Amino acid sequence: SQQGEEDPQALSIQEGENATMNCSYKTSINNLQWYRQNSGRGLVHLILIRSNEREKHSGRLRVTLDTSKKSSSLLITASRAADTASYFCASGFQGAQKLVFGQGTRLTINP
Amino acid sequence: NAGVTQTPKFQVLKTGQSMTLQCAQDMNHNSMYWYRQDPGMGLRLIYYSASEGTTDKGEVPNGYNVSRLNKREFSLRLESAAPSQTSVYFCATRSPAGGATDTQYFGPGTRLTVL
Repeated sequence: SQQGEEDPQALSIQEGENATMNCSYKTSINNLQWYRQNSGRGLVHLILIRSNEREKHSGRLRVTLDTSKKSSSLLITASRAADTASYFCASGFQGAQKLVFGQGTRLTINP
Repeated sequence: NAGVTQTPKFQVLKTGQSMTLQCAQDMNHNSMYWYRQDPGMGLRLIYYSASEGTTDKGEVPNGYNVSRLNKREFSLRLESAAPSQTSVYFCATRSPAGGATDTQYFGPGTRLTVL
């Protein structure tokens, strides 16, 4: 079964609003990564947070990680139409070659 | 610097036909991966190769074979295509482990339809 569960499955907001997506995972991780997928394209890495980190920022992105709850959230501030995409979390494990992806959140930014 | 390239972009097969999806990278990464993505779902790992000469099964390997031809190229073969293999296939590479950029880089995908 999938390691990551994402919530919500779909999110539609107005341009300029903030968007928050959540990811839960089942087993201990080394890191948690977020990827974006524009329609019809491959995934693009956004940000990685390690298990010993609680919060990380990159531009308009803010990621938090709560290992006690086995959950992470991705916040996109001041959303833009170009942020319309699907967002996936992926769990990384110590010494492992593989990532395990969640099912994704489909984000739509309305102008 | 093309990154990760995949061919073909689109393919339609009849049930029982075979084909090979090609992936090449110029990033000098050791690890390469094949995923499939079905509508409304995340990516599921089919096979991966940690280094040239090695391959391992992922979550959904049945019906597929792979070849790590050299460090640059990793191909995925469907010997006898089935409608259940209709999907979008992505190849990815992985930056070296342990660093701050332990991430995967994806190709543009191959959209495969099996009739």
